[in-house]
Amino acid sequence: GEDVEQSLFLSVREGDSSVINCTYTDSSSTYLYWYKQEPGAGLQLLTYIFSNMDMKQDQRLTVLLNKKDKHLSLRIADTQTGDSAIYFCALVTGANSKLTFGKGITLSVRP
Amino acid sequence: EAQVTQNPRYLITVTGKKLTVTCSQNMNHEYMSWYRQDPGLGLRQIYYSMNVEVTDKGDVPEGYKVSRKEKRNFPLILESPSPNQTSLYFCASSLWTGGIRNTGELFFGEGSRLTVL
Repeated sequence: GEDVEQSLFLSVREGDSSVINCTYTDSSSTYLYWYKQEPGAGLQLLTYIFSNMDMKQDQRLTVLLNKKDKHLSLRIADTQTGDSAIYFCALVTGANSKLTFGKGITLSVRP
Repeated sequence: EAQVTQNPRYLITVTGKKLTVTCSQNMNHEYMSWYRQDPGLGLRQIYYSMNVEVTDKGDVPEGYKVSRKEKRNFPLILESPSPNQTSLYFCASSLWTGGIRNTGELFFGEGSRLTVL
């Protein structure tokens, strides 16, 4: 089946950059997404990248896509305590265009 | 305001007592889906629906039922809940139906925390 892998935990100091990584097996994905889940809430789309792009920048967020290595990353510049959350990588996979999520990484920002 | 609304948000029940978690969206989305979130397992899809009267199994459908009689509603039914169905449940909806003519963004409800004793 489709595989989307993420590390489970990352701790960074406030003001530093955070880099969250994701690897996947299905190379036919059209869109690749990053969702954010704050404590006690549902997931919200943070950003996405189309598969024909290598990079996308949106304010403090930079998404990098390495299709050859099937690797997606999210860089958060100047990480703030409000960035503490669970971050999910997700991509469309398979013949029925199913959205598959990674297990999510918990980002903890310490003062 | 565009939203996905789930009810109840919290529920404690006992084994075998049928329950329904409702989900409603006001965005006229064709696609709706149910997920459960468990520690260390991430999000797993239970059932999904591409449109009215069209439903299909996700990765973990056992013990659940769904129906899609109207576009806006997609209830999740646990006919005979068991303790292994204790979980955090999310309903989500999207314009995307597989043709990928838009970003496919999923809109999530706030979640329903279910405990089965």
